[in-house]
Amino acid sequence: AQSVTQPDIHITVSEGASLELRCNYSYGATPYLFWYVQSPGQGLQLLLKYFSGDTLVQGIKGFEAEFKRSQSSFNLRKPSVHWSDAAEYFCAVGSPSGSARQLTFGSGTQLTVLP
Amino acid sequence: NAGVMQNPRHLVRRRGQEARLRCSPMKGHSHVYWYRQLPEEGLKFMVYLQKENIIDESGMPKERFSAEFPKEGPSILRIQQVVRGDSAAYFCASSPPSGGDTQYFGPGTRLTVL
Repeated sequence: AQSVTQPDIHITVSEGASLELRCNYSYGATPYLFWYVQSPGQGLQLLLKYFSGDTLVQGIKGFEAEFKRSQSSFNLRKPSVHWSDAAEYFCAVGSPSGSARQLTFGSGTQLTVLP
Repeated sequence: NAGVMQNPRHLVRRRGQEARLRCSPMKGHSHVYWYRQLPEEGLKFMVYLQKENIIDESGMPKERFSAEFPKEGPSILRIQQVVRGDSAAYFCASSPPSGGDTQYFGPGTRLTVL
């Protein structure tokens, strides 16, 4: 069964600092990988996704993520954080084959941005 | 192009009542997914539907929960005889019939059981 681990429950950074959110997955092959962001009381917005090809993917709002097969990781990065980035971030994996199209989510990382 | 629509956004029920949550997928999307988010947790898959078909319900509780996606109208997640443990945010997502597995999420329905 596939699983996702986000080791950091809560991260605090200062505005303008760089950010890296960690995501590790367990899956038998190369899965589809996603990062979503959730603001308080809101739904999930897709930041970026990886299906195949270039292992460094660019997303919206200046975010990027790198797929590292050897480490089973898909860490999210941003070079300079803005106060509006404060939110909860979820990493998710999906199966690229068969009818099992469900996403498996990590437990999330809450990001606080200090002025 | 409107996104995924869910209503109501907030729903309060007393124990033993029924809850009906509605989801209208994005235009052109024929696949619908329901997820549940308990407080302080990530989202957990419940069910995957296509028009008039349940494709995967492996995440649905065995009792009291049901889902449908009729030929016409929104997808409905129905919870009978609600209990306090059903209090959660329920999210619907949709994806197109082909061309990838990206799921687009609605704003969610926050169910509170008194």
